[in-house]
Amino acid sequence: AQSVTQLDSQVPVFEEAPVELRCNYSSSVSVYLFWYVQYPNQGLQLLLKYLSGSTLVKGINGFEAEFNKSQTSFHLRKPSVHISDTAEYFCAVGRLGNTGKLIFGQGTTLQVKP
Amino acid sequence: DSGVTQTPKHLITATGQRVTLRCSPRSGDLSVYWYQQSLDQGLQFLIQYYNGEERAKGNILERFSAQQFPDLHSELNLSSLELGDSALYFCASSVSGTGSTDTQYFGPGTRLTVL
Repeated sequence: AQSVTQLDSQVPVFEEAPVELRCNYSSSVSVYLFWYVQYPNQGLQLLLKYLSGSTLVKGINGFEAEFNKSQTSFHLRKPSVHISDTAEYFCAVGRLGNTGKLIFGQGTTLQVKP
Repeated sequence: DSGVTQTPKHLITATGQRVTLRCSPRSGDLSVYWYQQSLDQGLQFLIQYYNGEERAKGNILERFSAQQFPDLHSELNLSSLELGDSALYFCASSVSGTGSTDTQYFGPGTRLTVL
């Protein structure tokens, strides 16, 4: 069975500072990895996904993530955050197969302070 | 706007009651997914339908059921409601759903409050 652990429930950071949101996964089979963002009172929006190939994945709004198979991690990074990045971020894992089922982590709240 | 619509936005009901949540996927998407988001359980996959047929099942209670209609909209039925069923219910859709590579587009959610 797959599982996803987001190592920080809350990450406070000042505007224009860099940020890293950590995600570890466990799975006995090949997986696909996703980061979604949820702004207040909205649904989830895909930031980026790793399917195969280059381990560094670039997404929307200046975010990127690096897939590390040996450490089973998929950490999300942004070199300089804005107030508007304040939101909840979810890491998710899917697996090769005939369904689109995703397993989500518990979420990390990014709080960007002025 | 993801293109996925959910109705109603809010629903307040009493224990023991039955409710129906509705989802219309993005135009052209064949798969619909239902997720439950609660403070204690986080975001949990409930069920997936693909072109009218059940494709995958998650931690969905027996009191809950879903279906996808020929026009591809989906309904999630929750019965014998309990206080613990209070949550945000999301619907998502994707083009195929035959693998996890598809991007899932999420609706704005239905907030269910059981009193």
